[in-house]
Amino acid sequence: GENVEQHPSTLSVQEGDSAVIKCTYSDSASNYFPWYKQELGKRPQLIIDIRSNVGEKKDQRIAVTLNKTAKHFSLHITETQPEDSAVYFCAANADFGNEKLTFGTGTRLTIIP
Amino acid sequence: NAGVMQNPRHLVRRRGQEARLRCSPMKGHSHVYWYRQLPEEGLKFMVYLQKENIIDESGMPKERFSAEFPKEGPSILRIQQVVRGDSAAYFCASSPYGQGSTEAFFGQGTRLTVV
Repeated sequence: GENVEQHPSTLSVQEGDSAVIKCTYSDSASNYFPWYKQELGKRPQLIIDIRSNVGEKKDQRIAVTLNKTAKHFSLHITETQPEDSAVYFCAANADFGNEKLTFGTGTRLTIIP
Repeated sequence: NAGVMQNPRHLVRRRGQEARLRCSPMKGHSHVYWYRQLPEEGLKFMVYLQKENIIDESGMPKERFSAEFPKEGPSILRIQQVVRGDSAAYFCASSPYGQGSTEAFFGQGTRLTVV
């Protein structure tokens, strides 16, 4: 089955700086890669996703890049703000036609004011 | 659209009791996924259901755990004879198609505490 690894597990950046979180996956058949943000005690919320037919997608301060050859994808947050502090999870879909998500172990991002 | 509704939000059970967790998917969504999140850990897939069918239960423990998604009513995750290790947040997600096709929406979760 699919295996998703995520790094780093914790990340602290100064407000205004950029944050980068990286994930690798094992199943070359995976074709959907969402990123979720989870604040303490709340539900995971989708912030951006990318499909295997594109290499990069951007939404305001958030961007995701995908390298299918190397089987890794990354989340980039620019001009970080205190409200970006949360746990971020990457995920990949495991099986075509049975599209459960396999999640990474999460990155706790802390924005230092 | 009220979103994915889970209840109860918090559930306390004594060891050996049964826990029933409910998930009402978003209107029009026929795919339901259950995930378990242990403290300070990621989400682990448990089971994928469509109406009246279990599609994938590869993440479900072999004993004590069961899930259903009847034709009418919410999806139910049932844990029999709970043990301390079952304490976790259980999240349900729904989508109109499979999760790889479109965004999956998560409920607020049920936090199960076994005492």
